[in-house]
Amino acid sequence: DTAVSQTPKYLVTQMGNDKSIKCEQNLGHDTMYWYKQDSKKFLKIMFSYNNKELIINETVPNRFSPKSPDKAHLNLHINSLELGDSAVYFCASSQNTVGGSPLHFGNGTRLTVT
Amino acid sequence: AQSVTQLDSQVPVFEEAPVELRCNYSSSVSVYLFWYVQYPNQGLQLLLKYLSGSTLVKGINGFEAEFNKSQTSFHLRKPSVHISDTAEYFCAVTDGGGAQKLVFGQGTRLTINP
Repeated sequence: DTAVSQTPKYLVTQMGNDKSIKCEQNLGHDTMYWYKQDSKKFLKIMFSYNNKELIINETVPNRFSPKSPDKAHLNLHINSLELGDSAVYFCASSQNTVGGSPLHFGNGTRLTVT
Repeated sequence: AQSVTQLDSQVPVFEEAPVELRCNYSSSVSVYLFWYVQYPNQGLQLLLKYLSGSTLVKGINGFEAEFNKSQTSFHLRKPSVHISDTAEYFCAVTDGGGAQKLVFGQGTRLTINP
């Protein structure tokens, strides 16, 4: 059983399109995240939800909108895609927001915008 | 705010040789420290973590790390590496502010040569 699963694994699209990435965790965790990994492998947090409530919203363009229908799911919708959005997007979860709670990552969605 | 510096972007070693991947952090408060491993085309997996107690922490796959508060370091070591250890390794730190404030280093690419 995959603990954190995200779909699709690959996403190739043209500039200006709108796309979504879905994420589900079956660990019973309270907290979920979206991270962006750029071409240099640098990881930066985008959003964090705890029990369906947004708790972190880093300086991400308004074109990115997360949605958490329940605490097991956190989806990411991106409007008007730009070339600079090309990256690998990782979903993750942790038991709670306590600092020692390790993160469990999905396998990533490689987004390529042409 | 905390930050993490991984001192080597790439580390090539021969199979069965020992390896040390260096990580330094800065924080004005007590920290929780983590090492994650990312195999090609996969998400990050937790290798080990330091929360408190013994400064020598053992993780999966024969890796260990030592927390050194005076040097603000958390170096990762393995006495004898295998080809399968080829991956990207990330050091990460958070303070008591919560798991959502986890900050990652830039990553170290470990390449094992036969």
